Amino acid sequence: GENVEQHPSTLSVQEGDSAVIKCTYSDSASNYFPWYKQELGKRPQLIIDIRSNVGEKKDQRIAVTLNKTAKHFSLHITETQPEDSAVYFCAASREYGNKLVFGAGTILRVKS
Amino acid sequence: ETGVTQTPRHLVMGMTNKKSLKCEQHLGHNAMYWYKQSAKKPLELMFVYSLEERVENNSVPSRFSPECPNSSHLFLHLHTLQPEDSALYLCASSYTSGDGNEQFFGPGTRLTVL
Repeated sequence: GENVEQHPSTLSVQEGDSAVIKCTYSDSASNYFPWYKQELGKRPQLIIDIRSNVGEKKDQRIAVTLNKTAKHFSLHITETQPEDSAVYFCAASREYGNKLVFGAGTILRVKS
Repeated sequence: ETGVTQTPRHLVMGMTNKKSLKCEQHLGHNAMYWYKQSAKKPLELMFVYSLEERVENNSVPSRFSPECPNSSHLFLHLHTLQPEDSALYLCASSYTSGDGNEQFFGPGTRLTVL
């Protein structure tokens, strides 16, 4: 089955700096890669996703890149703000989102 | 209430108790999911229901029994649980086809097994 590894497990950045979180997956048939943000005590919420026919997707300060050959994808957050502090989860699925396999999560702390 | 709701939000039960978790989605989705979230572990998919049929059971112990009476409701029946089953149980829903496959999560039930 699919296995998703996520690094780093914790990340501290200064406000205004960029943050990068990386994930690798094992199943070459995976075709959908969402990123979820979970603030303390709240539910996970989708922030961006990418499908296997696209190499990069951007939404304001957030971007995701996908390298199918290397089987890894990354989340990039630019100009970080304190409200970006949360746990971020990557996930992979081979059926466009039906059976997501999640990474272990990254705790992002943005220091002001 | 809109979105995905879960009740109860907190539950403390003994190992011999029987309880049920409830999830309701108001989004018109046709797939629902149960996840277990433990500290320092990935979100673990437990069950998937698509069009009210169970399509996935990720080797979950039989002390967890799901039920999906219709596309809007999902239950997780619990009996003779173990302390290691203490976790946050999240319900989610989505569409099963097309491009709109974002999973929307409920607020979760924080379960403590004594």
